[in-house]
Amino acid sequence: NAGVTQTPKFRILKIGQSMTLQCAQDMNHNYMYWYRQDPGMGLKLIYYSVGAGITDKGEVPNGYNVSRSTTEDFPLRLELAAPSQTSVYFCASTPSGLPSYEQYFGPGTRLTVT
Amino acid sequence: AQKVTQAQTEISVVEKEDVTLDCVYETRDTTYYLFWYKQPPSGELVFLIRRNSFDEQNEISGRYSWNFQKSTSSFNFTITASQVVDSAVYFCALSEGNTGNQFYFGTGTSLTVIP
Repeated sequence: NAGVTQTPKFRILKIGQSMTLQCAQDMNHNYMYWYRQDPGMGLKLIYYSVGAGITDKGEVPNGYNVSRSTTEDFPLRLELAAPSQTSVYFCASTPSGLPSYEQYFGPGTRLTVT
Repeated sequence: AQKVTQAQTEISVVEKEDVTLDCVYETRDTTYYLFWYKQPPSGELVFLIRRNSFDEQNEISGRYSWNFQKSTSSFNFTITASQVVDSAVYFCALSEGNTGNQFYFGTGTSLTVIP
């Protein structure tokens, strides 16, 4: 199993550009998450999904959109990139909504908006 | 309000010293889970341990040990005889019973082990 994969690993965007961060998992997990990690701030939840076709906002959803058309994929869309979106983005998945399961994380995408 | 507090932002120790990383959490749920993750300089997040709210037994795994105390809402992590490879950022996280396995992360503690 590849686990959770993310592409790209690094990206530099200009202000106002758009891009999609890709996330895929091959563990047949129903639950998937997007976090951002800012220096000294821990991880903040952007969006999450409990299954194909179902998504919901997390703590910091503004400026982002998601979709979940398949169990495997959970892309994160940035429209009109802003410097405040400079961060490291992590995708995660877990098999169940039960709180006992750990989340499996991808390697992260480092995004810089200038 | 912050659900998970890691008051220690950065810690430096000399190799072979013991070090304890503090984690204080806040929840009204009776069923919840606490986790520790390690983030080495390479950036990935590595799961270390999970503890549920009904199990207050301390756990030891090699040089790692965890002390869970509900009375003080703490879940502290001790590394014994630290090594340079322990240098990383360590995150404590909380998952509550009714939030679809949403994790609440602390801000992390950056540990540097000096050779």
